[in-house]
Amino acid sequence: GAVVSQHPSRVICKSGTSVKIECRSLDFQATTMFWYRQFPKKSLMLMATSNEGSKATYEQGVEKDKFLINHASLTLSTLTVTSAHPEDSSFYICSARDDRRQKNYNEQFFGPGTRLTVL
Amino acid sequence: GQQLNQSPQSMFIQEGEDVSMNCTSSSIFNTWLWYKQDPGEGPVLLIALYKAGELTSNGRLTAQFGITRKDSFLNISASIPSDVGIYFCAGQLRSGNTGKLIFGQGTTLQVKP
Repeated sequence: GAVVSQHPSRVICKSGTSVKIECRSLDFQATTMFWYRQFPKKSLMLMATSNEGSKATYEQGVEKDKFLINHASLTLSTLTVTSAHPEDSSFYICSARDDRRQKNYNEQFFGPGTRLTVL
Repeated sequence: GQQLNQSPQSMFIQEGEDVSMNCTSSSIFNTWLWYKQDPGEGPVLLIALYKAGELTSNGRLTAQFGITRKDSFLNISASIPSDVGIYFCAGQLRSGNTGKLIFGQGTTLQVKP
């Protein structure tokens, strides 16, 4: 099956610093990548959708200047949390999908997540 | 916005018992999906449903896409300890590759050996 990795798996940072999280599709090319945020015992909330080579589309209520997303290649997307604050602490999960195939459903393959703790 | 109502929120069962959980929505979905998430991991797809009325099995798991396209259920038969985790339903509003996923609130399953 398709594999998606995330790095780092855990990060602790001080308030006011910026943190970059990488999402890579290891054995397939991802035309589309998604970034989700998950609070403890809660559901996954979509933050943004990114297409390779173009600007990300952010969901309502998500600050694009706060959560910078770059999808520079077909195998890598990055999420940068700028000027992080304790309320940004969460579990961030990416997923990747190859939309070049015409199917009933093109599966999103999820990464293992990144636990961000802002002190 | 669109919402998926998933129930029950949590279940604590004895090994060997069958489990059933469901999702309902006020919106019509083209695709229903069921995922399992282990602690500290990303979700893994269990079953995907594409047609209203479709009933699909994956080992001990069975899921159905409701006739109205507004609901789905997941059954797990003869539960085992490794079934422990959080189960999410998800719906895709559009067919093909253009839709984003909307997730239910999750059902936390605990299995007592």
